[in-house]
Amino acid sequence: DQQVKQNSPSLSVQEGRISILNCDYTNSMFDYFLWYKKYPAEGPTFLISISSIKDKNEDGRFTVFLNKSAKHLSLHIVPSQPGDSAVYFCAATGASGTYKYIFGTGTRLKVLA
Amino acid sequence: GAGVSQSPSNKVTEKGKDVELRCDPISGHTALYWYRQSLGQGLEFLIYFQGNSAPDKSGLPSDRFSAERTGGSVSTLTIQRTQQEDSAVYLCASSPRQGAIYEQYFGPGTRLTVT
Repeated sequence: DQQVKQNSPSLSVQEGRISILNCDYTNSMFDYFLWYKKYPAEGPTFLISISSIKDKNEDGRFTVFLNKSAKHLSLHIVPSQPGDSAVYFCAATGASGTYKYIFGTGTRLKVLA
Repeated sequence: GAGVSQSPSNKVTEKGKDVELRCDPISGHTALYWYRQSLGQGLEFLIYFQGNSAPDKSGLPSDRFSAERTGGSVSTLTIQRTQQEDSAVYLCASSPRQGAIYEQYFGPGTRLTVT
């Protein structure tokens, strides 16, 4: 049972345009969500997070939106740059004090110059 | 400062052999995780260590898998009698402490290939 789903395995975007990566979850107990970026042969690196008490969190070119009623979150990258080309994972965890993170399968983003 | 390091970076082994994978977390981080990423899959939780508490081993796929963490620092993941389905990238992560608000810092992973 995949509790965190990233239904798009890949995405290509032109440099300078917006990249939108989507993530859906099924467990209503999740209350904290994170996005990680992964380059080949490297471990994932933390990008941005959002608590369920918010519906938006912004950090520079990266914005995460959370729609709790739809159990959906998205990561917006504006403007996209070739260096953003990587695999993006969303992760979720639930109930303060827990530590288990459930990861999606990732979306490979390719930003075309 | 130094990040999470893992060794070896690549390991090729024959089916049936035992392997040991090592993780050196960031100094001072009390929480340590092991994950596995198989081809085309997300990160699969394996085991979690927090301080001196008993580890959560609920993600280990079989009794061939075990892990220990010595002195609250270095961790070793051992796979006995390896099978081809064990082939994956094994990732270690550490976190300053338990809790959802602390993101994890990942090592570069060990790519295990079982022939």
